[in-house]
Amino acid sequence: SYELTQPPSVSVSPGQTASIACSGDKLGDRYACWYQQKPGQSPVLVIYQDSKRPSGIPERFSGSNSGNTATLTISGTQAMDEADYYCQAWDSSTSVVFGGGTKLTVL
Amino acid sequence: EVQLVQSGAEVKKPGESLKISCKGSGYSFTIYWIAWVRQMPGKGLEWMGIIYPGGSDTRYSPSFQGQVTISADRSINTAYLQWSSLKASDTAMYYCARRVYYDSNSYGLDVWGQGTTVTVSS
Repeated sequence: SYELTQPPSVSVSPGQTASIACSGDKLGDRYACWYQQKPGQSPVLVIYQDSKRPSGIPERFSGSNSGNTATLTISGTQAMDEADYYCQAWDSSTSVVFGGGTKLTVL
Repeated sequence: EVQLVQSGAEVKKPGESLKISCKGSGYSFTIYWIAWVRQMPGKGLEWMGIIYPGGSDTRYSPSFQGQVTISADRSINTAYLQWSSLKASDTAMYYCARRVYYDSNSYGLDVWGQGTTVTVSS
């Protein structure tokens, strides 16, 4: 079965750029999504189709996907961005694979 | 406003049955697939399965096939997740989410329910 791997944690200073990687075999051949989940809340879609932002998602969130790695980048990271982030790819039109999640700490 | 509203928290004993719900509003419920996602305490998101309310076509993750049943009642814009015999290991938060199609085989889970906490304990 297809697997996605994320680092368990990433730390960033306020105002700096945070990058969260997600690796999978030929992940670049699939579309990747990213979800943000804050404690006690439901996940929120922040990136779809590798690099597109849904309405309402700040421009500081961006994404890329090539080769075996998709990357979520948060520019000018703010304290409110502290959350768990999950990458996700579609194994088929009706089957999803999630990465294990990355805890982003802003300190 | 597009939203998915899930049923409330449940506390059950091992061996009991349970059916939780996810009601859609603010959009045409029958033309979007609804997914179910499990999150065990302190853990990540796990794909359980997905249903097309317009025709009840259902797909399951191999990990959950035979363990749960996903269904929908399009007349009341509601999807369901049910267990016939709960285990302690079913204790988790369960989310429903709407699958949206963008283009070129690109999809996303763009609207999520608030989650239903299921606790199974003797």
